[in-house]
Amino acid sequence: TQLLEQSPQFLSIQEGENLTVYCNSSSVFSSLQWYRQEPGEGPVLLVTVVTGGEVKKLKRLTFQFGDARKDSSLHITAAQPGDTGLYLCAGLGRETSGSRLTFGEGTQLTVNP
Amino acid sequence: KAGVTQTPRYLIKTRGQQVTLSCSPISGHRSVSWYQQTPGQGLQFLFEYFSETQRNKGNFPGRFSGRQFSNSRSEMNVSTLELGDSALYLCASSPTSLGSYEQYFGPGTRLTVT
Repeated sequence: TQLLEQSPQFLSIQEGENLTVYCNSSSVFSSLQWYRQEPGEGPVLLVTVVTGGEVKKLKRLTFQFGDARKDSSLHITAAQPGDTGLYLCAGLGRETSGSRLTFGEGTQLTVNP
Repeated sequence: KAGVTQTPRYLIKTRGQQVTLSCSPISGHRSVSWYQQTPGQGLQFLFEYFSETQRNKGNFPGRFSGRQFSNSRSEMNVSTLELGDSALYLCASSPTSLGSYEQYFGPGTRLTVT
């Protein structure tokens, strides 16, 4: 069974601070996705990274896929209250033939004004 | 395009009862997956349907079942409900033509078993 560990589980910071969320596994994934979920809603896809070492930027969010495709990180610069939410990483296993993602348990981020 | 819709949004059932949840995917998406989300276990994969066939299945007991119709709409059924089945049930559709299995989630059905 492939497992994804996210850290930290909870993060409470002040507006304007920077933060990094980590997603680690001992398994190799063919791609990795990041989602954000707000209360009462389903997760919303932020980005997909596919190539080892790949870096993608989405405004103040920077996503990186590890060279070995076993880990990923999400860095937020100058966090804003609107960034508050549950951040989930999800890996697509190499042997998977269908839509079966392994999700991390999530990082609950709170950005205080 | 309209997003993924799920009905009902909230449901309260008693132990031993059964429940059916419904999901309408984004138009053109043929893959529909179901997930269970709980505070302790996070998001757990239940099963995936593609072209009316179950293509993948997670590690849940046989009380959890699903199906997909020719218009890609999907239902999941839980029989003989247990207290531990209380959770947010999320449906997601995917544009499999992209090969990336990116999931587009609905808002979920909050099931409470008493």
